[in-house]
Amino acid sequence: KAGVTQTPRYLIKTRGQQVTLSCSPISGHRSVSWYQQTPGQGLQFLFEYFSETQRNKGNFPGRFSGRQFSNSRSEMNVSTLELGDSALYLCASRIAPLGGMEQYFGPGTRLTVT
Amino acid sequence: GENVEQHPSTLSVQEGDSAVIKCTYSDSASNYFPWYKQELGKRPQLIIDIRSNVGEKKDQRIAVTLNKTAKHFSLHITETQPEDSAVYFCAAADSSYKLIFGSGTRLLVRP
Repeated sequence: KAGVTQTPRYLIKTRGQQVTLSCSPISGHRSVSWYQQTPGQGLQFLFEYFSETQRNKGNFPGRFSGRQFSNSRSEMNVSTLELGDSALYLCASRIAPLGGMEQYFGPGTRLTVT
Repeated sequence: GENVEQHPSTLSVQEGDSAVIKCTYSDSASNYFPWYKQELGKRPQLIIDIRSNVGEKKDQRIAVTLNKTAKHFSLHITETQPEDSAVYFCAAADSSYKLIFGSGTRLLVRP
């Protein structure tokens, strides 16, 4: 079974721009969560989507948003980029709603804001 | 708020020795405790997990123990090998499935 995939793998953007990242979960997995990884703050939860609905949200500003499509693929959008948004953005998929709590990560999108 | 503390931040062991990484969580509602291994430039990889109704779980050279009363859980790696060198993250989650991660432990296994 193919793993979680994310596109693009690398992005360079300028302050003030916006960006959209994509995540395709493992086949049959219906929940997608997004995490931000930085050297200073570590791994931080952004939000989770299941059945095209945001189920949970972390402590990030409203510039960070997401959505999920009927095929469980998810996108994350960051508007008005700031230098501090430079990070590795990881998504993780989970079977949901029943089944295990295990989350499996994609390879991430490395975002650099200049 | 929810918090997971992880120690040590770096750990260097000789090949063949054991390594222990410890985590403490703050949220009493946490009931799921996974451990991830992240090699340089790679994705976090789930290596073992434990639920709150279990005190210990073992998978070959890796084991995890949980003390719910003290809100501690630990990762034990025996007979370490150079390929065990990586950053290890503990995490805790409640029924919301939101993973709260520790700050990571950089493990170096010296040949």
